[in-house]
Amino acid sequence: EADIYQTPRYLVIGTGKKITLECSQTMGHDKMYWYQQDPGMELHLIHYSYGVNSTEKGDLSSESTVSRIRTEHFPLTLESARPSHTSQYLCASSAVPGLVPIPTDTQYFGPGTRLTVL
Amino acid sequence: SQKIEQNSEALNIQEGKTATLTCNYTNYSPAYLQWYRQDPGRGPVFLLLIRENEKEKRKERLKVTFDTTLKQSLFHITASQPADSATYLCALEVRANNLFFGTGTRLTVIP
Repeated sequence: EADIYQTPRYLVIGTGKKITLECSQTMGHDKMYWYQQDPGMELHLIHYSYGVNSTEKGDLSSESTVSRIRTEHFPLTLESARPSHTSQYLCASSAVPGLVPIPTDTQYFGPGTRLTVL
Repeated sequence: SQKIEQNSEALNIQEGKTATLTCNYTNYSPAYLQWYRQDPGRGPVFLLLIRENEKEKRKERLKVTFDTTLKQSLFHITASQPADSATYLCALEVRANNLFFGTGTRLTVIP
């Protein structure tokens, strides 16, 4: 079982609210990721980070933002939630050491946060 | 653009038989390919990684093949068990060591 945690597991919230999805890992991994997954669909990378103070946008455009102030913590924030943000959000980490283009290590996923915006 | 296709959304198989899942990709030449298992309401769990210079990889009842000419990977589960029922995802490294996932194949092993 991977040591990567996400809270909350489930969140139902009204339109216009600001939300932060938490993700923490205790494996000391440098690289962390946020994916969005709708039922029966593939995972889409929305954000990733190579390490502290590094954040990059993924392949799928997202209105969310992320921060990486500590190695173990990679929160995702939505300033104003909308029904179109309803989805499953998965956080992951890997031991890739940084920007060196070497084959990546495997990714370890958290249990996910299922977000519903009414 | 990069595209990954996994055969059939769902695959039903009798317990004890070998399940074979297919992953086809286009428009890219990945250095390696990974397979993950995802249970309902959970995050994916890594199973196997196979590199472009490897033809086959095994781990217990799992076997993965990688044919870079056909741009295809096959994932086999031998002596399948009901506990193997899950969605199986293949993933390719696209760039910057990021993975691009397929939609997955939902496997059901019938007792």
